[in-house]
Amino acid sequence: AQSVTQLDSQVPVFEEAPVELRCNYSSSVSVYLFWYVQYPNQGLQLLLKYLSGSTLVKGINGFEAEFNKSQTSFHLRKPSVHISDTAEYFCAVRTSGGSNYKLTFGKGTLLTVNP
Amino acid sequence: DGGITQSPKYLFRKEGQNVTLSCEQNLNHDAMYWYRQDPGQGLRLIYYSQIVNDFQKGDIAEGYSVSREKKESFPLTVTSAQKNPTAFYLCASTRLGTSYNEQFFGPGTRLTVL
Repeated sequence: AQSVTQLDSQVPVFEEAPVELRCNYSSSVSVYLFWYVQYPNQGLQLLLKYLSGSTLVKGINGFEAEFNKSQTSFHLRKPSVHISDTAEYFCAVRTSGGSNYKLTFGKGTLLTVNP
Repeated sequence: DGGITQSPKYLFRKEGQNVTLSCEQNLNHDAMYWYRQDPGQGLRLIYYSQIVNDFQKGDIAEGYSVSREKKESFPLTVTSAQKNPTAFYLCASTRLGTSYNEQFFGPGTRLTVL
């Protein structure tokens, strides 16, 4: 079984500041890792994913994340945030093999960008 | 446009009533999922189905039921046995059979028990 811990439930930042949203996972097998974004009263949209290869992955809206296997982390970063980045962000994990396609989600981090 | 539709967007229910949430997809995806979202709790899996006429319980299936009579449809019934049904419900789908399968999400249904 896997688990995901998002270390901050809320992150307030000012516009144009950098931001890092932290995610740690636990798994006994190889995993795929994902970050999703959710705007108020909407569904989830995939920001980026790590499947294999380069540990630095780039996604939409200028976000990137780095996979660190030794620290079992997959932190999300953006060098300069905008007001429109205000949303809830979810880290998720699933096993990379077999027929189990289920995702396990963290509890989410609410990013609030202030002017 | 291809996608996932959920209806209704808002739903109100009296205690003791069953209610059914609709989820339809035209992506020709094989698998469909229902999640429940509560503030500060993330998404928790209720039921999922990988093939028509078959489905499996997720982590919090008690008080819920589903059916999968058609590939494109996966309705969720919240029964009176669900003790605390007020929540935001999300449906998702994915294609099977490839090494990577992104889950696509619908816009959600907010259920409130009065």
